[in-house]
Order: sequence, then C-alpha cells, then structure tokens
Amino acid sequence: AQKVTQAQTEISVVEKEDVTLDCVYETRDTTYYLFWYKQPPSGELVFLIRRNSFDEQNEISGRYSWNFQKSTSSFNFTITASQVVDSAVYFCALSGAPDTGNQFYFGTGTSLTVIP
Amino acid sequence: DAGVIQSPRHEVTEMGQEVTLRCKPISGHNSLFWYRQTMMRGLELLIYFNNNVPIDDSGMPEDRFSAKMPNASFSTLKIQPSEPRDSAVYFCASSLGVHQRDEQYFGPGTRLTVT
Repeated sequence: AQKVTQAQTEISVVEKEDVTLDCVYETRDTTYYLFWYKQPPSGELVFLIRRNSFDEQNEISGRYSWNFQKSTSSFNFTITASQVVDSAVYFCALSGAPDTGNQFYFGTGTSLTVIP
Repeated sequence: DAGVIQSPRHEVTEMGQEVTLRCKPISGHNSLFWYRQTMMRGLELLIYFNNNVPIDDSGMPEDRFSAKMPNASFSTLKIQPSEPRDSAVYFCASSLGVHQRDEQYFGPGTRLTVT
C-alpha cells in the first residue's frame, strides 16, 4: 500500500529561524517519486520539487533544501531563515506504482506559520 | 501560458440542486485529476483520467458524483443532488504525461458551499 505520513500538523516559528517539515512514506515499489507542494493562504497548490527513488542526493534551492533517505523512508523539507511569506500548508506526496499510473498519495499536510 | 482553469471559483447552492464544476487542463497535458479538500479529510483524489479515459474513480464518494472528460481540453464534475456535506474546495489538476514521474499542476479550486 502507498501511504504518506506528515506527523506535524502545525508548526510555528519566529522569522529567520530554520524549520524542518517531516515526511515519511510507505511503498513496496522500487521505483517511485516523491513530491512537495506548497498551499499558501490564497489556496492554490504550488509544485516545489520532485525526487525519484534512485536519487538520494540532497537538493538545495535557495532557502529550501530536501533530505531524502531511503533507509528511513523519509523525505524531509527544511526552510532556512524562514520568512513570513513561507507561511502555508505544505504537502508531501508519493506517486503511485507503475501499474496504478500517475495517481498521487498526499499526506495530510503541515501548516507552517512564520511569526514576524 | 495559462495554467489549469477552473470555473466557477465560488459556488453557493441549496441542498438538492445540481452543481457542475468545470476544468480546462493545461494544453498538451494528458492526465487530469479531480480532488476534494476539506478540513476533516484533507486532500482526496476523486477520479483521474488519462488521455480522456477514466482510470480510477474509486474516490468518488457516491453515485451523486459523476465526472466526464469529453475531450482533451475540458472536464466536468457534477454533483446531483448536492448535500451540505459536499461543501469543500474542489481542485482540478493536470500533468503532462501518464507516468508516475510527472508532477501535477493544480487549478485555483472551486469553493463549493451547499446550504
């Protein structure tokens, strides 16, 4: 079965603090893809990153970084020097097994509030 | 290039009425997804299409819900009759291919309120 768990429901940090959002996934497949999406207060979901199961290299994009560890089935997201504009709900997602096409399995989301 | 377009953005209707939500995917995209988002249940996949063909509709809650994709540039999600518990934000998303690696691009959503 495919499953994504985001245990942190809500997080509050003070501006300029670093924050890590956790994502743990379950899958029996050897080939899979993981995604992070951001949902700001305006409501739309914005794609942030995709990672395939064969690439465990960490990725950094500006203040954002992602730590993919297959050994712990985790794909954590860190925001460095957080800003008020980072306040949003963040979703982690797992793509379906090849025989289920491109269905996504979303976590329940982590609501991040950055306090000025 | 325009993103995924959804209409209407807001819909308020009375219980028992028919509601039709519309989606225009990104041009050239081959997969389309309908999601529902509520506080209680989060993001739920209702149905998705690959090349206009419904692939998995197991997320459709009841027979009151139906979805169609008559062509590559248009899809509808219909609720008939609507009930207060259908109140939610309904998102449409599209992706370029039909592969698990393809990220999904979401529309702005339709906020449905059934009174």
